[in-house]
Amino acid sequence: QQQVKQSPQSLIVQKGGISIINCAYENTAFDYFPWYQQFPGKGPALLIAIRPDVSEKKEGRFTISFNKSAKQFSLHIMDSQPGDSATYFCAAIWTASKLTFGTGTRLQVTL
Amino acid sequence: NAGVTQTPKFQVLKTGQSMTLQCAQDMNHNSMYWYRQDPGMGLRLIYYSASEGTTDKGEVPNGYNVSRLNKREFSLRLESAAPSQTSVYFCASSELRLSSNEQFFGPGTRLTVL
Repeated sequence: QQQVKQSPQSLIVQKGGISIINCAYENTAFDYFPWYQQFPGKGPALLIAIRPDVSEKKEGRFTISFNKSAKQFSLHIMDSQPGDSATYFCAAIWTASKLTFGTGTRLQVTL
Repeated sequence: NAGVTQTPKFQVLKTGQSMTLQCAQDMNHNSMYWYRQDPGMGLRLIYYSASEGTTDKGEVPNGYNVSRLNKREFSLRLESAAPSQTSVYFCASSELRLSSNEQFFGPGTRLTVL
């Protein structure tokens, strides 16, 4: 049973555009929602994370929007750059348990 | 600090052969994990070790065994490799007791089973 659903599977955005990746979860016990970024040939690395008591968190060009009632959260990448081309995974966790990952979104930022 | 290291980086096996993937971390983390990554499937947890001396099954444990050798090292063994085990394998470590459970990943092992 997939507890975190992620879309789209792939995304192409022009340089300077906004990239948006969406995730939905089912388990209301989740209390921490990280996003991981993975470059080709590398392992994933934590990018940004949010707790459900806030609706938005921004770090530079990366913003997480969180809708607790809809059980959805999304990653927005503003002013997307070719260096942002990577695979992005949303994830969810409850109280220091195991991470549950989404299926990933392959982002390509074109010139 | 090297973080999480994995060996080998690449491996080709024939069906039925066995091998062990090695993982070590130097961050003094209590918890370690093995994942496999397949196209369109994301990261799926094979086994994890919440602390030294304990191991538990994850989402896809069949065909694999693990050993938590000490606090630093966590190995994954394929006793009789099958083509369905062709994948990229990642080891990770974390401090599970922290609510964030931020996981630090190794560079991966790309395994092909013919």
